Amino acid sequence: EVQLVESGGDLVQPGGSLRLSCAASGFTFSSYWMHWVRQAPGKGLVWVSLINSDGSSAYYADSVKGRFTISRDNAKNMLYLQMNSLRADDTAFYFCARAESGSYSSWGQGTLVTVSS
Amino acid sequence: DIVMTQTPLSSPVALGQPASISCRSSQSLVHSDGNTYLSWLHQRPGQPPRVLIYKISNRFSGVPDRFSGSGAGTDFTLKISRVEAEDVGVYYCMQATQFPRSFGQGTKLEI
Repeated sequence: EVQLVESGGDLVQPGGSLRLSCAASGFTFSSYWMHWVRQAPGKGLVWVSLINSDGSSAYYADSVKGRFTISRDNAKNMLYLQMNSLRADDTAFYFCARAESGSYSSWGQGTLVTVSS
Repeated sequence: DIVMTQTPLSSPVALGQPASISCRSSQSLVHSDGNTYLSWLHQRPGQPPRVLIYKISNRFSGVPDRFSGSGAGTDFTLKISRVEAEDVGVYYCMQATQFPRSFGQGTKLEI
């Protein structure tokens, strides 16, 4: 069974940093592009970042470019999102998602990041 | 950036009746590889989204055949032939033709 489990969400002060993790299992992790998508409480879905299967290419939404870094460790089946210079508008549930056929075939349950003083 | 616009934003519907959601993109979603990467997602309260339809009209594994997708270019539609109670929640269209990926605002389906 495909599983994606996020962790690392927390309450952090503006300007702070956080690293999110996504543990993948049940599939050949190294074969898939992976994404981070976020959702502010009660709001819609917003794409954040993606990384290709071998980790050599990454893309970011303009709102996080220069502050967030996506990475992966295929040997450990792990996806990461390093978030720096956090702002109040980064407050959201962060989902990792497996890309397939131009959509997302699997999602994690999400981890909540709250940026507040 | 491609803007995805869904209508309606809220849709009350009776059980057993059909429902339809429209999605319009600000640019053509036809990729240089010939595919159109428009998909539909469904999110129940407190749950992550799940994909229903990919590349306009392909149902994902396990999705009931009461869900169908259609359209081309910039105009797309999700149809539910007979709404069931488990269909409540928010539906999103999403494009994966260009970066950045983008989602519609969501359409809330209410029974």
